[in-house]
Amino acid sequence: AQSVTQPDIHITVSEGASLELRCNYSYGATPYLFWYVQSPGQGLQLLLKYFSGDTLVQGIKGFEAEFKRSQSSFNLRKPSVHWSDAAEYFCAVIIQGAQKLVFGQGTRLTINP
Amino acid sequence: EADIYQTPRYLVIGTGKKITLECSQTMGHDKMYWYQQDPGMELHLIHYSYGVNSTEKGDLSSESTVSRIRTEHFPLTLESARPSHTSQYLCASSDAGLGEAFFGQGTRLTVV
Repeated sequence: AQSVTQPDIHITVSEGASLELRCNYSYGATPYLFWYVQSPGQGLQLLLKYFSGDTLVQGIKGFEAEFKRSQSSFNLRKPSVHWSDAAEYFCAVIIQGAQKLVFGQGTRLTINP
Repeated sequence: EADIYQTPRYLVIGTGKKITLECSQTMGHDKMYWYQQDPGMELHLIHYSYGVNSTEKGDLSSESTVSRIRTEHFPLTLESARPSHTSQYLCASSDAGLGEAFFGQGTRLTVV
């Protein structure tokens, strides 16, 4: 079945440490890929997106993500996290020509001081 | 700057009541979506629309209904609210060409 998978439900890192959140998809066609962040009680904010071209994309708040077609992955990274990065992170996919944006299960990020 | 608005932000209502959750966007987007999200959980697509007079059921079955009479407006209605409808409801819209979705801040519904 076509799906988006975020293998890590909950990740805890120390402030200042590096971060990588994993996202895998299982679609045959080339997807459009997104990472969203959700603070408690809020809607979702777009961090970054990949449509085509350079497979390393830069987003807001110091985040970046790399599309790896061979691994069907679109992992989110940040070199040094801040306490304000604590939130829920969602990977999402839309297939070209399709109408629906499909989300992964989300990864909750906790930051230790 | 994205302009998509949901009202109310919070709603506590009794069982059996009819409710309508409002969603409006000023970006002229053709596509609009409703997602249901329990606290700390994933988003489930319950309704979407390609444009005026177009509505489709999403991946998660829902007793709610939607309408799309105007491009900017995509309300969601529950004819008879039940405690199982307690959840957060997120509305989103996107331009057909870009695919990027913009989200409202959500409506947190509690049915008592």
